[in-house]
Amino acid sequence: GEDVEQSLFLSVREGDSSVINCTYTDSSSTYLYWYKQEPGAGLQLLTYIFSNMDMKQDQRLTVLLNKKDKHLSLRIADTQTGDSAIYFCAERYSSASKIIFGSGTRLSIRP
Amino acid sequence: GAGVSQSPSNKVTEKGKDVELRCDPISGHTALYWYRQSLGQGLEFLIYFQGNSAPDKSGLPSDRFSAERTGGSVSTLTIQRTQQEDSAVYLCASSSRLGQGNSPLHFGNGTRLTVT
Repeated sequence: GEDVEQSLFLSVREGDSSVINCTYTDSSSTYLYWYKQEPGAGLQLLTYIFSNMDMKQDQRLTVLLNKKDKHLSLRIADTQTGDSAIYFCAERYSSASKIIFGSGTRLSIRP
Repeated sequence: GAGVSQSPSNKVTEKGKDVELRCDPISGHTALYWYRQSLGQGLEFLIYFQGNSAPDKSGLPSDRFSAERTGGSVSTLTIQRTQQEDSAVYLCASSSRLGQGNSPLHFGNGTRLTVT
């Protein structure tokens, strides 16, 4: 079946690293994405990774993909208050262009 | 340029009434997606369009829900005989090329629907 799972909440101290985890079910996924949703706003693409890659780094963001375990993670280095948001993991299936989203992880930053 | 525009931004309706939600995608984007976000829930896929056709309608919750797209541009999501469980934020997104991972979804700010 189609399922993308994430933990609902994460709290980190300002300046620490945040790691948001995601598991998915479709082994034929082609692309996996991380989106960010700030309060009252739509979703914005943060980064994506192609399924034949293990890692992608973009400034403070590092995406790790374990295809064997169908596990995706997003690491945010030096977390700032502006990083407070809901982070969604999403996958695109190879058999179709449907993109399925997880439930989102709410990241809160404490001083 | 302009992003994805959705209207209205907020809609309050009485149970049993019909509602129409509108999405104006980014000009030239061929793919258009509708999602529903309920309070505390993730994004629930509803339907997507490639041009004016909808290859996948599997996410529409019931036959009270329908969507169309005309001229490869504007899309309308219609909910007939609304129920309280239809209350949610309805998000529209568009993409320049279907099936291309590096053509991300661009989301609108959504329509918040409240059924009383």
